[in-house]
Amino acid sequence: SQTIHQWPATLVQPVGSPLSLECTVEGTSNPNLYWYRQAAGRGLQLLFYSVGIGQISSEVPQNLSASRPQDRQFILSSKKLLLSDSGFYLCAWSAQPGQGRTGELFFGEGSRLTVL
Amino acid sequence: GESVGLHLPTLSVQEGDNSIINCAYSNSASDYFIWYKQESGKGPQFIIDIRSNMDKRQGQRVTVLLNKTVKHLSLQIAATQPGDSAVYFCAENIGGTGTASKLTFGTGTRLQVTL
Repeated sequence: SQTIHQWPATLVQPVGSPLSLECTVEGTSNPNLYWYRQAAGRGLQLLFYSVGIGQISSEVPQNLSASRPQDRQFILSSKKLLLSDSGFYLCAWSAQPGQGRTGELFFGEGSRLTVL
Repeated sequence: GESVGLHLPTLSVQEGDNSIINCAYSNSASDYFIWYKQESGKGPQFIIDIRSNMDKRQGQRVTVLLNKTVKHLSLQIAATQPGDSAVYFCAENIGGTGTASKLTFGTGTRLQVTL
């Protein structure tokens, strides 16, 4: 079965410090990968998605970047965190068409980032 | 712009009663809709989905209804249980570049089950 892991689960960082959140998927190959952010009491905002190694699409201009160095690894980074970067970050994957329930996203457990 | 929204931010239901959570969407081109359940501090979990060529789909204790005429989606939970307490999100697939699934999520409805 497929599993998705992201870490760290909780992170407290000072303003101006770097960030690296990592996500890995097991049990599937060539998944589409996504990073979402959820502000407190709000919906999910798509930040980045990737349809293949090295292919990153950004949905909103921001202080963050994403990379996909391996097929099942997705990393969310920042060089200098802002207060507004605080939130709950969710990694997700979806199957390629014909390999599962097309369109469905499978989410990780999330990483809560607090920038002080 | 296009958006997905929910009518009620909080819904309180007595245990054993049926729950109905509503969602309005505005992108008439959306062809796939999903309901997710999110418990506190966790990632969203799939509940049920429906494609635009259907108007009703049933799962275990849950039913999703789609009314494309008025762009309305609802989630019905039968015999609501305390474990159903969570935030529920509707999401629509607005399509994407290549094969990516670019879901747009509503703001969520918190379901509180009272004993």
